[in-house]
Amino acid sequence: KAGVTQTPRYLIKTRGQQVTLSCSPISGHRSVSWYQQTPGQGLQFLFEYFSETQRNKGNFPGRFSGRQFSNSRSEMNVSTLELGDSALYLCASSRSGRNSYNEQFFGPGTRLTVL
Amino acid sequence: GENVEQHPSTLSVQEGDSAVIKCTYSDSASNYFPWYKQELGKRPQLIIDIRSNVGEKKDQRIAVTLNKTAKHFSLHITETQPEDSAVYFCAAGSNTDKLIFGTGTRLQVFP
Repeated sequence: KAGVTQTPRYLIKTRGQQVTLSCSPISGHRSVSWYQQTPGQGLQFLFEYFSETQRNKGNFPGRFSGRQFSNSRSEMNVSTLELGDSALYLCASSRSGRNSYNEQFFGPGTRLTVL
Repeated sequence: GENVEQHPSTLSVQEGDSAVIKCTYSDSASNYFPWYKQELGKRPQLIIDIRSNVGEKKDQRIAVTLNKTAKHFSLHITETQPEDSAVYFCAAGSNTDKLIFGTGTRLQVFP
């Protein structure tokens, strides 16, 4: 069974630009969560999608948005990039069902550098 | 708001010794507590998890304990080996797939 994949693996952008990251979950997994990882801050929850609906949201500004497609693939978008957005962006998928908890499997991440 | 505190931030032990990492969570609705191991340059991987209806869970050299009253949970690694060296993250979640992570513990096991 293929694992969670993320594209691209590396991105370099300049301030003010926007970026779109993609995540393909494990086949059969319906939930996709996104996290921002920075040194010293650990993993911070961005949002979670289930059946094409945003089910949970973290405390990030509106410049961070996402969506999920009918095949469970997910994208996240960051507009008007700032230097502080430089980070490793991880997505995780789980089988999930409503009112149940399942192991989250992480992708390799997209390393975003904002210059 | 929701918060998970993790201590210590770094931990150095001699091979064969035990290592303990402690976490405290704030959201009383949390009922799922996974631990992830992240080796350098790799993705986080689940090593053990515990749910709120259980006080302790063991898997070979790894154990996790949970005190719901105090909102504390801990990871215990016995007979540490150099390959245990990594960053360990605790997390807390409820009945949806939103995990709040601690800031991580860098464990170094010296041979």
